[in-house]
Amino acid sequence: AQKITQTQPGMFVQEKEAVTLDCTYDTSDQSYGLFWYKQPSSGEMIFLIYQGSYDEQNATEGRYSLNFQKARKSANLVISASQLGDSAMYFCAMRGPNTGNQFYFGTGTSLTVIP
Amino acid sequence: DADVTQTPRNRITKTGKRIMLECSQTKGHDRMYWYRQDPGLGLRLIYYSFDVKDINKGEISDGYSVSRQAQAKFSLSLESAIPNQTALYFCATSGSVSVDTQYFGPGTRLTVL
Repeated sequence: AQKITQTQPGMFVQEKEAVTLDCTYDTSDQSYGLFWYKQPSSGEMIFLIYQGSYDEQNATEGRYSLNFQKARKSANLVISASQLGDSAMYFCAMRGPNTGNQFYFGTGTSLTVIP
Repeated sequence: DADVTQTPRNRITKTGKRIMLECSQTKGHDRMYWYRQDPGLGLRLIYYSFDVKDINKGEISDGYSVSRQAQAKFSLSLESAIPNQTALYFCATSGSVSVDTQYFGPGTRLTVL
């Protein structure tokens, strides 16, 4: 069965510093996709970044990068130069063919950026 | 205009009432999903549909039903609402391959008194 684990319920970071949000996963699929979403206090879910299991390079999107370590089954989100607007819940998710390409979500990490 | 819309955005109802949450999308996706979000539990899948004739139960389908009226429309019903169904409900759509992300609606905040 697919499983996503986010072990950090809450994180704090100083403005302009970098922060890493942890995500580990468990799957028997060889081909799968990993996603990160941001949920600000307003409630909407915003897609941030995607990493494919066969991608050799770590994904990057602006200040977001994904530290993908396939052997360790981890897909950590790195936010560089944190801004106050980065304060939000962050969810890691995975999908793969073994379960009909459904999405499985972690329980989320609450990030607070301190001025 | 938003690609995925949900109505209503907020709803307060009483125990035992029937409630329908509606979702429409203009992404042209075949796959649509209903999730509920509770604090500390992340998003949990209620039902999903891979096309108009394909409806599947998710992790927490008890107490809920769905209808896929068209490719673009997917509604969620609570036949007899109970207080522990108070939650934030999201509709989402996606393409069919693993590289495709999900696109979420703005959410419906439901309170059952």
